[in-house]
Amino acid sequence: DQQVKQNSPSLSVQEGRISILNCDYTNSMFDYFLWYKKYPAEGPTFLISISSIKDKNEDGRFTVFLNKSAKHLSLHIVPSQPGDSAVYFCAAIGAGDQKLVFGQGTRLTINP
Amino acid sequence: ETGVTQSPTHLIKTRGQQVTLRCSSQSGHNTVSWYQQALGQGPQFIFQYYREEENGRGNFPPRFSGLQFPNYSSELNVNALELDDSALYLCASSRSIGTDLPSHTFGSGTRLTVV
Repeated sequence: DQQVKQNSPSLSVQEGRISILNCDYTNSMFDYFLWYKKYPAEGPTFLISISSIKDKNEDGRFTVFLNKSAKHLSLHIVPSQPGDSAVYFCAAIGAGDQKLVFGQGTRLTINP
Repeated sequence: ETGVTQSPTHLIKTRGQQVTLRCSSQSGHNTVSWYQQALGQGPQFIFQYYREEENGRGNFPPRFSGLQFPNYSSELNVNALELDDSALYLCASSRSIGTDLPSHTFGSGTRLTVV
């Protein structure tokens, strides 16, 4: 039962352009959604989150959009930089819970 | 502020053996969670420890067990290793239950290979 899904295993974007990573979920009880970035040989690092009562959260070059009716969220990175090349995980967490439910990840490659 | 430290970084074990992985939590964090990340997959929740007791468990068999110590560090033990246990094991520490959005800090993981 995959409650959080990232259907694109990989994405390639030109430097300076916008990167859009997508995530779908099935559990309407999730309270927060998070994006993590992972480099090889390192643990996931927190990038940005959004509460289920919001539809947008922005932090510098990163913006997360939440569409609750579609059970869909997306991460926009603009402009994309070579250092953004990594695996991005979408994750969700329920109210009062501490268990993160992760998607399968999307490998983002930024080409110079 | 120290981060999450995991040891060892790499480990090779034979099927049927037992393994212990260790994790030191970030300063100020009192909850530790363990995740298994198989190749090409996202991390899967194994279990969580709070106040030295298991507080939530994912879909993993009893041969996966753990401990949390008074200094909030933790161990993950896996008995009777199987080939499918080969994965990256991630430890994450966080603040106590009840905060609005727990702040998880992950370690770099232990890469376990079972042969």
